[in-house]
Amino acid sequence: EAGVTQSPTHLIKTRGQQATLRCSPISGHTSVYWYQQALGLGLQFLLWYDEGEERNRGNFPPRFSGRQFPNYSSELNVNALELEDSALYLCASINFRIRYFGAGTRLSVL
Amino acid sequence: AQKVTQAQTEISVVEKEDVTLDCVYETRDTTYYLFWYKQPPSGELVFLIRRNSFDEQNEISGRYSWNFQKSTSSFNFTITASQVVDSAVYFCALVDETGANNLFFGTGTRLTVIP
Repeated sequence: EAGVTQSPTHLIKTRGQQATLRCSPISGHTSVYWYQQALGLGLQFLLWYDEGEERNRGNFPPRFSGRQFPNYSSELNVNALELEDSALYLCASINFRIRYFGAGTRLSVL
Repeated sequence: AQKVTQAQTEISVVEKEDVTLDCVYETRDTTYYLFWYKQPPSGELVFLIRRNSFDEQNEISGRYSWNFQKSTSSFNFTITASQVVDSAVYFCALVDETGANNLFFGTGTRLTVIP
């Protein structure tokens, strides 16, 4: 069974650009969570999607947004990139309260 | 408010030594779940264990063991006979039953096993 997959592995953007990150959950899982892991800040909850709806978001500005598609895959969009958005972005799907994580997308903003 | 504290930022041990990673949590809920994840240099968070608040049994899985004590709000993780492949950052996390089902992570403990 395939795990959570994320693409791309690495993404390099310049300040002010937009970034799109993608996530496919484990087959059968309907919820997707996004987390940001920035240097020195630990793992911070970004967004939670379930059955195509945004259920909750963390303490991030509106330029962080996303959506979930009918096949339960998800996209995270970050607009007007800032240098401090450089981080590892992790996606997870859930089963019996256990979050299974992908390998992440490392976003570098120059 | 929910909070997970991992007071040990970094630990170094020599291969084959035993090591214990500490985790202390705070929650007002009576129903909650505790987790340990391993993050090797590749970046992926690997699930290790889940424990619910009603199950205080300690668990052993190979060289790994977990000690859950509600009286001290602790969920400590011990690696016996450590190996170089155990080198990673280890995160303790909590999810409770209130509201958004958020998973609260500790700040992690970086374990380095020296050959």
